[in-house]
Amino acid sequence: QSVLTQPPSVSAAPGQKVTISCSGSNSNIGKNLVSWYQQLPGTAPKLLIYDSNKRPSGIPDRFSGSRSGTSATLGITGLQTGDEADYYCVSWDSTLIAVLFGGGTKLTVL
Amino acid sequence: QVQLQESGPGLVKPSETLSLTCTVSGDSLSNYCWSWIRQPAGKALEWIGRIYVNKRTDYNPSLKSRVTMSADTSKNQFSLKVNSVTAADTAVYYCARGFWSGYNWFDPWGQGTLVTVSS
Repeated sequence: QSVLTQPPSVSAAPGQKVTISCSGSNSNIGKNLVSWYQQLPGTAPKLLIYDSNKRPSGIPDRFSGSRSGTSATLGITGLQTGDEADYYCVSWDSTLIAVLFGGGTKLTVL
Repeated sequence: QVQLQESGPGLVKPSETLSLTCTVSGDSLSNYCWSWIRQPAGKALEWIGRIYVNKRTDYNPSLKSRVTMSADTSKNQFSLKVNSVTAADTAVYYCARGFWSGYNWFDPWGQGTLVTVSS
C-alpha cells in the first residue's frame, strides 16, 4: 500500500474534465513539491507536471496541477481517448528520506 | 536531446544478483543525479534509489540492504545491482534523470527493461 494515496480509477466522457487526487502527509506533500506522470499502456512514464503546477514544454494546457496542504490534484480538461492511461503522483518524503510514488490511477475515457 | 537506455540480462535465477546498466546519451552523467525505478506487472512504480555525480547514493529503505548503485562517468553509464533476488523482484526496470533538490521530478526516462526472476 502506497504512502501517497490515489483513487484506483476515474472515468469521464470525451470533452469532459476529470481530477485525480493524491493524498499524503506532512512529511511528503505537506512540505515538498509534487510531480505527475502519464503512463500509456506498454510505455515508460512521461512527465506531465513538475513543481506541483508547472508543465514541461510540449505538455498541453489541458493538464494542470495544484497542491494544498497534504494533498495534490491533477486536472485534465477536454478529455480525449488518447488520455486513457495510468497517472502517478510523486513526492519526496523528508522523514523516510525517499522518493514516493502514488499507487496510480487508471483513467478511462468513456 | 537526452536519452537513456537500460541494458542487462532479462532472466535472473532466484538468490542471484540482478545487474543492470543505464547508458546516457546527449548529456553528461556528471551534471546530475540519476535514479532507478521499477514496476512489477500490473502494479505501481517504485523508486529504488539514486546516485549523485559525486557518487553519493540514497536508497529506498525497503530495498537498502540488497541494493548497490554505481556510476562510470568515463562511459556515461550508471548501474544497479540487487542481490538475493526473489520472484518479487520481477519487474520492468527504468532508469531516469532525477531526483534532487531543485529538480524534484524524473525526466527523461529510459524505455525500461523487463527482468524476470525464475529458475
